[in-house]
This record gives sequence, C-alpha cells and structure tokens, in this order.
Amino acid sequence: DVKVTQSSRYLVKRTGEKVFLECVQDMDHENMFWYRQDPGLGLRLIYFSYDVKMKEKGDIPEGYSVSREKKERFSLILESASTNQTSMYLCASRSGTEAFFGQGTRLTVV
Amino acid sequence: DQQVKQNSPSLSVQEGRISILNCDYTNSMFDYFLWYKKYPAEGPTFLISISSIKDKNEDGRFTVFLNKSAKHLSLHIVPSQPGDSAVYFCAASTYSGSARQLTFGSGTQLTVLP
Repeated sequence: DVKVTQSSRYLVKRTGEKVFLECVQDMDHENMFWYRQDPGLGLRLIYFSYDVKMKEKGDIPEGYSVSREKKERFSLILESASTNQTSMYLCASRSGTEAFFGQGTRLTVV
Repeated sequence: DQQVKQNSPSLSVQEGRISILNCDYTNSMFDYFLWYKKYPAEGPTFLISISSIKDKNEDGRFTVFLNKSAKHLSLHIVPSQPGDSAVYFCAASTYSGSARQLTFGSGTQLTVLP
C-alpha cells in the first residue's frame, strides 16, 4: 500500500517564524510536489522536485523554499511565515500520471 | 489565468440519482485527465482517469467522459451514495519543464442527500 506521510496534521506558528513542513514517501518515486489548498482556488503548485537535490518552482513559489536531500523526503520551508500563508498544505509523490497525496498539514499563522 | 476550471463550487443530489461534475480546460497540450476525491482533513485520493486518446472510461459507479473538441470532461456517479459526499477535483496533466505536472481545478463540493 502506497504511503505519503506528512509530519504534522496541525501547526500553529507566529508571524516571522521559520517553518518546516516535512513529507516522506515510501514508493521510491522520483517526483514529489508541494501544493496548498485554499477555498475557491483548488490546489496550487508551490514547488516540485524531479530528483534528489533538484527543484523547480511551481505557480506560487514566493515566500517558500524546498529541500530534497534524499529521494524519499521533500521539505517545504516558509522562511518567514506570514498570515497569508495560513492554508492546508498537501505533499504528493508521483511515478507516471497518478499522484499520491499525504493527509495534509493545516497551518495557521497568527 | 486558470487552465482548469470547475465552474460549480457545489452540487446537491438525492441518494440513488446521478451526480454529474463538470470540468473545462484551456491548454490543448493536456493529454491525461484525472479526478480526485477529498474528504475534510484528509489528502485527495485518486478516483478515475482518462487518456486524451479515449472519450470514456468506466470504473464501477464512476464514469469519466472526455470531449476534446470542447475541452470538457465530466464525471458521472451512478447511483450516488451519501458516502460520495466530498470535494471533487478535476486535474489535467502534461509535461512542463523536467516533469509531468498536474494542474487542478478549484473543486466541486458534492453533497448526496439521504
């Protein structure tokens, strides 16, 4: 059974904090993705990685960075959290056309 | 500019009837389409997909139709069940840069009434 695990289900952080969201997959997939989900906007791609140490910007990369040091782990970093980054964050991994998602991290920035 | 659009944010259907969820896209380079289902506080789960070389794919109660000339796809659920109540996302796929990417619509909240 495929598995994508995000380290936290719920997080509350203060404005200006550096925030790390971790994602691990056990399927040996090359491609990993970070999305955010907001009401009325669907899932928007922040960053993706197609190989270890490789990364590419998605549609809304501003205010975020990523790290892929190992194939199974893809981290999303909020360098200085802001209230407009309050959202549901979803990690996905993919081989072929179907993506498998983690359970999501609900981040609230206060 | 949204390349994948789901114009109905919500849909209510009676149990046992058909649910039809619609999706439009603008990028003619999309060659694979998927539907995902999402319950609150969970990640999306894959439901059904269709390649651009087909116009229909069926899996149990779920059927996806693709009209390439109209750049339109739809998901039919027959018969609808209360457990089908969820947000449904349409997604379209093509190669962009170094990897195949998925572009999602904004989602449709389906409520199946008992």
